[in-house]
Amino acid sequence: QSVLTQPPSASGTPGQRVTISCSGSSSNIGSNTVNWYQQLPGTAPKLLIYSNNQRPSGVPDRFSGSKSGTSASLAISGLQSEDEADYYCAAWDDSLNGNVFGTGTKVTVL
Amino acid sequence: EVQLVESGGGVVQPGGSLRLSCAASGFTFDDYAMHWVRQAPGKGLEWVSLISGDGGSTYYADSVKGRFTISRDNSKNSLYLQMNSLRTEDTALYYCAKDHPVGATGAIDYWGQGTLVTVSS
Repeated sequence: QSVLTQPPSASGTPGQRVTISCSGSSSNIGSNTVNWYQQLPGTAPKLLIYSNNQRPSGVPDRFSGSKSGTSASLAISGLQSEDEADYYCAAWDDSLNGNVFGTGTKVTVL
Repeated sequence: EVQLVESGGGVVQPGGSLRLSCAASGFTFDDYAMHWVRQAPGKGLEWVSLISGDGGSTYYADSVKGRFTISRDNSKNSLYLQMNSLRTEDTALYYCAKDHPVGATGAIDYWGQGTLVTVSS
């Protein structure tokens, strides 16, 4: 059972902005940075955002991350058909002394 | 180019054992911590274990603690996961993954393609 909670689904039309939330607690998001991953169907996950809001080289600036207190958000602006994927947040948990992933959000482009 | 290639998956009976391996290339292996992450069929990601670059520190998810052991051989650029007392709920695709250079965040910047472990009688 995951300790980071995400909405199961989100959707938008091409060009729209979609936001995905990730809710945690003081032992994970509240005291550590948040990372986001994109998993396209049938492929391994890909790092999208690290350290709350940093994009690895090659990730479009349409993707942005933020964190406030014990929650974090991933925003996708200018939604494109190739953004249809599962998205996971993750953070280190000091109480569990391990990494924890969110429940995952499936993004659909209408 | 970073490459992570897992092997060792297969079908095993409940209570059995399996050893997964991951061959790494394209980076200085002993400079980075390494993870195992798994994904049950049709389910989300579950972090399994982490080992430091020198192998001196290891961390485990509660669900595998006491049953799984992570290790590495830096002379062979290889990562391992010894899995004992396997349960049906351990059935998953197991990914080998590299820790991000920023360190101490748990971020994973490279993933292998995974090796499938099926626990079934």
